[in-house]
Parts: sequence; C-alpha cells; structure tokens
Amino acid sequence: DAKTTQPPSMDCAEGRAANLPCNHSTISGNEYVYWYRQIHSQGPQYIIHGLKNNETNEMASLIITEDRKSSTLILPHATLRDTAVYYCIVRAHQTGANNLFFGTGTRLTVIP
Amino acid sequence: IAGITQAPTSQILAAGRRMTLRCTQDMRHNAMYWYRQDLGLGLRLIHYSNTAGTTGKGEVPDGYSVSRANTDDFPLTLASAVPSQTSVYFCASSDWAGHTDTQYFGPGTRLTVL
Repeated sequence: DAKTTQPPSMDCAEGRAANLPCNHSTISGNEYVYWYRQIHSQGPQYIIHGLKNNETNEMASLIITEDRKSSTLILPHATLRDTAVYYCIVRAHQTGANNLFFGTGTRLTVIP
Repeated sequence: IAGITQAPTSQILAAGRRMTLRCTQDMRHNAMYWYRQDLGLGLRLIHYSNTAGTTGKGEVPDGYSVSRANTDDFPLTLASAVPSQTSVYFCASSDWAGHTDTQYFGPGTRLTVL
C-alpha cells in the first residue's frame, strides 16, 4: 500500500468545519482512501472511504483530488466529541492484510 | 450485535509467562487482525487471517503467534512475554471483498509485562 503523510496536529473551533488533509502521492490506481479515527483509549472507528469520487455520509465528507495524490476529510460542524486522532490509509481491496499501514495520524482538538 | 469483544480488558503479567489474548467477532467476517499500539506510535499489524484456517505475518510478528480454527475466534498468544510487549492490543475484523474492506475494532486489551 502507498504511504500517507498527515500533519501531526490541528485545532478547530467547535461548530466550525474541520478540514484534515492527507497526501498520498504514490497511490496506485486500485487503491482506496480510507479514514478512521481513534478517540482516546478506544479502538479505531471507521469514518469514510473512496476511490476517486467525492463521498459523503452521516459523519463526514471525503474530497479526493483529480490526480488522487491527496485528499481532505471534512467534518462539517465539529463538536467536542470529534476530538480524536484521525488516520488516513490507502489500500487496495482483495489483497492480503500483510500490507496495512496506519501511520501516526493527525491529532484533532476541537476547542470550545 | 456485540461486534468484536476482547478479553481481558487489562492484564499485568510477569516476564517469561505465557499469555493468550482472546478476540471474538459475531459479524461472520472472513478476515481478522491483531494490532499493537504503543505510546507515540500508530497501530502496527502483528498477524492477520484472511479466512478460517489461514494466518499471515504482519509488520511486527516476532514473539507472537495466532490461530484461526473457526470464523469467529482469533486468539493471540505470547509464548514467553517480555517487557517490550507492554502495549495496547486491538483486534479487528473485516469482510474484505469487492468494493469495501472496512475494519471494525474491538475495545482493546492493555497489557503490562513486568
């Protein structure tokens, strides 16, 4: 799987949109972009994923650039409960799990 | 639906002792995984299993073994624990095929080896 680069930390005001960037310049054509988050002391939680089109669900939106070398996770109205470490992962489907790579993620702090 | 359960929640273990961390899922997922997470580091894959009866090595497999006798259970064994195995261990499962490979994680086991 391609490696990802994320800023180590970000702050966001409560109620504002949180935009978390991720660079994946070596992504392959069959690799998806996944986002997970980990709230303190809990197991990671799936947020959203996409291949090349922008995606939206009840939690967030995922914007993938046309060249697929970067993406942005958007939390439209951040709350204090969104404070967590956010992981961007790229991986292909239907391959063995021996190439999963979580990285160190971005620590998002939502400020009251 | 419970999802993924792990046991124990936490454990303090003397070095040299054998320990098995338990993981059970009720989602009938074909793939299961074990990760460890150390302070300041992201999750690192220890072992995985794509389907019952098969296992594979991840990024940091040394000192650990796994088995996958059935779909639901994926125990992780430390044959002779060492202090460097002090960590938080997460089990996960996924139903990888086609257009999605979302992983679902358990609550974790906090292990301290003295």
